[in-house]
Amino acid sequence: AQTVTQSQPEMSVQEAETVTLSCTYDTSESDYYLFWYKQPPSRQMILVIRQEAYKQQNATENRFSVNFQKAAKSFSLKISDSQLGDAAMYFCAYRAGGGADGLTFGKGTHLIIQP
Amino acid sequence: KAGVTQTPRYLIKTRGQQVTLSCSPISGHRSVSWYQQTPGQGLQFLFEYFSETQRNKGNFPGRFSGRQFSNSRSEMNVSTLELGDSALYLCASRTGTAGNTIYFGEGSWLTVV
Repeated sequence: AQTVTQSQPEMSVQEAETVTLSCTYDTSESDYYLFWYKQPPSRQMILVIRQEAYKQQNATENRFSVNFQKAAKSFSLKISDSQLGDAAMYFCAYRAGGGADGLTFGKGTHLIIQP
Repeated sequence: KAGVTQTPRYLIKTRGQQVTLSCSPISGHRSVSWYQQTPGQGLQFLFEYFSETQRNKGNFPGRFSGRQFSNSRSEMNVSTLELGDSALYLCASRTGTAGNTIYFGEGSWLTVV
């Protein structure tokens, strides 16, 4: 079974600084997708960024970028120029490429932004 | 366009009762999946439906069931509620093509007393 591990239960960063959230996963599949979701206090899951395993290029969405290391099964999220609105729980998630599987989530990282 | 809509948003049930939660996916999305979020177990996949057929199911007892209608709307049902079923239930939808992005609703908060 696939597993997703987020080793940082909580991270704190100063506003405008850069922070990196870690995620590792375990799978025997070659075709899969990785995601970072943000869950603010409202509890709605918001997609931050996605990465297809077959793509070598790291995904980027504005201030958010990933460092995808397929051989190491690592998928970290970098948030540049942190803003107060970035404060939330961040979940790393995996989905096999077959299409029918659900998402496997990590336990989450609580990100605190210090003003 | 409208996002994933879940109803009701909050509900309180008594142990032993049953509950039905509803989810309307984003227009054009044919796949609906359900997740349970608890402080202890985190986010866990319940099941996924596509074109009215259950395609996959997570490791949950048979008390948890679901269905999908021809308009892609979905319901999940939990029978014989237990205290441990208290959770945030999240519905998500996607178009159904392999690999595309999953979008979540705001969730239904279920408290079992």
